[in-house]
Amino acid sequence: DQQVKQNSPSLSVQEGRISILNCDYTNSMFDYFLWYKKYPAEGPTFLISISSIKDKNEDGRFTVFLNKSAKHLSLHIVPSQPGDSAVYFCAASDSNTDKLIFGTGTRLQVFP
Amino acid sequence: DTEVTQTPKHLVMGMTNKKSLKCEQHMGHRAMYWYKQKAKKPPELMFVYSYEKLSINESVPSRFSPECPNSSLLNLHLHALQPEDSALYLCASSQRRIGTSTDTQYFGPGTRLTVL
Repeated sequence: DQQVKQNSPSLSVQEGRISILNCDYTNSMFDYFLWYKKYPAEGPTFLISISSIKDKNEDGRFTVFLNKSAKHLSLHIVPSQPGDSAVYFCAASDSNTDKLIFGTGTRLQVFP
Repeated sequence: DTEVTQTPKHLVMGMTNKKSLKCEQHMGHRAMYWYKQKAKKPPELMFVYSYEKLSINESVPSRFSPECPNSSLLNLHLHALQPEDSALYLCASSQRRIGTSTDTQYFGPGTRLTVL
């Protein structure tokens, strides 16, 4: 049972444009959501997070939006840069456990 | 500083070997985690230590044995592994503030393990 889903395995975006990565979840107990960026053979790097009491969090070029009623979150990167090319994982947790549940990842390619 | 370090970076071992993976953090975090990641898959949780006590074991085979000597260190002892155990092993840590939901996990660079 995949509680966190990223339905787009890959996304290709031109440099300077907006990248939008999507994530859906099924467990209504999740109250904290995170995005990680991962290069091959490296550990995930924390990018940005959002608590369930908010619907938007912004950090520089990265903005995460949360729609609790739809159980959907998205990561916006603007403007996209070639260095953003990586696999992006969304992850979710609930405060009652220590578990972080990852989505399957979306490979983002930013081309010049 | 959000650095988690892991050694070794790469490890090749035979099925009869005994080896250990090491993880260290100096951020004062009180929770530490082991994950396993296969190619093109998300990280899978193996173990969680909270305040130096094992709090979660995700039904991991006994050939993997975790150890938390103190709040900064986490080891994963390996014995009699199988070729299918070859993967990237990731360590993470978090503050584990009781009563808060905003507990961010920070990951190390991983150990690439190959079992022959």
